[in-house]
Amino acid sequence: EVQVLESGGGLVQPGGSLRLSCAASAFIFSNSAMSWVRQAPGKGLELVSGISAIGESTYYADSVKGRFTISRDNSKNTLYLQMNSLRVEDTALYYCAKDGVGALPKYYFDYWGQGTLVTVSS
Amino acid sequence: EIVMTQSPATLSVSPGERATLSCRASQSAGSNLAWYLQKPGQGPRLLIYGASTRATGTPARFSGSGSGTDFTLTISSLQSEDFAVYYCQQYNDWPQTFGQGTKVEIK
Repeated sequence: EVQVLESGGGLVQPGGSLRLSCAASAFIFSNSAMSWVRQAPGKGLELVSGISAIGESTYYADSVKGRFTISRDNSKNTLYLQMNSLRVEDTALYYCAKDGVGALPKYYFDYWGQGTLVTVSS
Repeated sequence: EIVMTQSPATLSVSPGERATLSCRASQSAGSNLAWYLQKPGQGPRLLIYGASTRATGTPARFSGSGSGTDFTLTISSLQSEDFAVYYCQQYNDWPQTFGQGTKVEIK
């Protein structure tokens, strides 16, 4: 069964940093684009960042550009999100999502994790 | 970016009844539209992609239609497990964008 499992969330002060991880299993990770999608408390879904299957292309929402960095290690079947200069408005549940089509992160998402909570507060 | 607007925000339906959810795009999304279901404490689950293609494991009571700017998700006979929040998402342009959700609740 395909699984993606996020970790690394927590409480951090404004201006701080966190690194999220997403461990994938039961599919060929190196063939699949991956993305991070977040959901603020009681709110809807917002695409944060995406990365192509072999990592040569990355995409960021304007709200996180220059502060967040997405990366992947295909030898470890793991996706990462390095979050720097965190703001209160970055508080959200962060989901790891597998692209449903293939190598580029520009389609729908066929598998999602349960999410990891990031809280930015002083 | 394409703005997605869902209506209604909340839909009250009795079990066994039909539910119709709407999603409108601010510009054409072609047929590049997906629907998801989200239950409390869970990540979203893909129901429909390509506006009308059921994802693996999606029951036949779920059907999607539409193209361009207007899309519909129909649940022909609501079951207890269908009461949840539903999101539409366009992937015609990057960034992919989501509607704000429709909550389907028990009447």
